[in-house]
Amino acid sequence: GNSVTQMEGPVTLSEEAFLTINCTYTATGYPSLFWYVQYPGEGLQLLLKATKADDKGSNKGFEATYRKETTSFHLEKGSVQVSDSAVYFCALSEKSGGGADGLTFGKGTHLIIQP
Amino acid sequence: GAGVSQSPRYKVAKRGQDVALRCDPISGHVSLFWYQQALGQGPEFLTYFQNEAQLDKSGLPSDRFFAERPEGSVSTLKIQRTQQEDSAVYLCASSSSGARTMGTQYFGPGTRLLVL
Repeated sequence: GNSVTQMEGPVTLSEEAFLTINCTYTATGYPSLFWYVQYPGEGLQLLLKATKADDKGSNKGFEATYRKETTSFHLEKGSVQVSDSAVYFCALSEKSGGGADGLTFGKGTHLIIQP
Repeated sequence: GAGVSQSPRYKVAKRGQDVALRCDPISGHVSLFWYQQALGQGPEFLTYFQNEAQLDKSGLPSDRFFAERPEGSVSTLKIQRTQQEDSAVYLCASSSSGARTMGTQYFGPGTRLLVL
């Protein structure tokens, strides 16, 4: 079956540091890949997505590139802010773009940014 | 605009009690999903509706779990004879897309269920 593995947290960084959160996946076909973010006290929000190999998703300074050869979708940001503190979930959808298919999530990575 | 809403936000149940969790999706959204999120884990897929049709219920953990969406809008997840292992956050998500098109799932705030 499908699975997503992401680095365990918490990850603690200083403001303006470079961020990488690793994510690798296992899928039988050609999945779409997603990063969701959950800010304290809020619901899950889509951060970015990529639907085919070599696509780069980007939003709010975050980027992730769909690497089929390494089955990875690592999340990066060049300079983090305190407001980026949240739990980040990597997820995949096996079929057409994740619109109407159940998502498979990783366990989440808690990111803490210190001023 | 209005997002996905869920009620109640918190529910405490005694073991063996039946509970009903409600989801109001974004108006006009065709697809509706339920997920279960245990403490410290990612959400796990339970079931999927396209309008009123339940097209996938492969993630429901037992026959104590039942979901419905009779008019293709509001959905209810019912758990009968609750057990302590049912304690989790239950998330609802909706999408404007149907089964074979791309789209984004919008999540509600969740219902936190604690079974004593």
